[in-house]
Amino acid sequence: GAGVSQSPSNKVTEKGKDVELRCDPISGHTALYWYRQSLGQGLEFLIYFQGNSAPDKSGLPSDRFSAERTGGSVSTLTIQRTQQEDSAVYLCASRQQRAAGETQYFGPGTRLLVL
Amino acid sequence: TQLLEQSPQFLSIQEGENLTVYCNSSSVFSSLQWYRQEPGEGPVLLVTVVTGGEVKKLKRLTFQFGDARKDSSLHITAAQPGDTGLYLCAGGLNRDDKIIFGKGTRLHILP
Repeated sequence: GAGVSQSPSNKVTEKGKDVELRCDPISGHTALYWYRQSLGQGLEFLIYFQGNSAPDKSGLPSDRFSAERTGGSVSTLTIQRTQQEDSAVYLCASRQQRAAGETQYFGPGTRLLVL
Repeated sequence: TQLLEQSPQFLSIQEGENLTVYCNSSSVFSSLQWYRQEPGEGPVLLVTVVTGGEVKKLKRLTFQFGDARKDSSLHITAAQPGDTGLYLCAGGLNRDDKIIFGKGTRLHILP
């Protein structure tokens, strides 16, 4: 595809429900990132996948959050037992290669609202 | 711990004025990026700097990476309403590591 795509673009769910957010990175990009952005704020790092290496999960806020990347391409971020404080925009980004200064390309985000 | 501190958090100025926003850290970065984000969209990359002391220009925008690669500045000359947005800096601690973002500077240019 031409860019990073994310689905759904918007998600409204009830507190306590599980949600899955999907990211399709740019073809051939080895690195994939998930970030969370609360209203008007900067980006909070969640998790980072690089090739076949173990993912860096250091930014996941709780064990209700998990992510996987299948076949080195598509990634799914899962939030279990959602809470109202999980409401935010979830952004995915990918980049091509391991070198200083490489560009991250962002998707449009999934806007999650937990009622 | 916020690794990248951006200042100011908010800035509202008149069209035609000049401004500078800052991105500071106690950590050394292998690269530093500046992004602009508009409401409802993901961040869009403006520039990447990798060499200490590097200066890059993008039309009316001038980006500088500190000599020690711990800080950066973005200077906008003759600001236009189209410059309005959230400006984010992001740094890579090494080429294999995650990219860390600052909280951003929200810029509003008044016509």
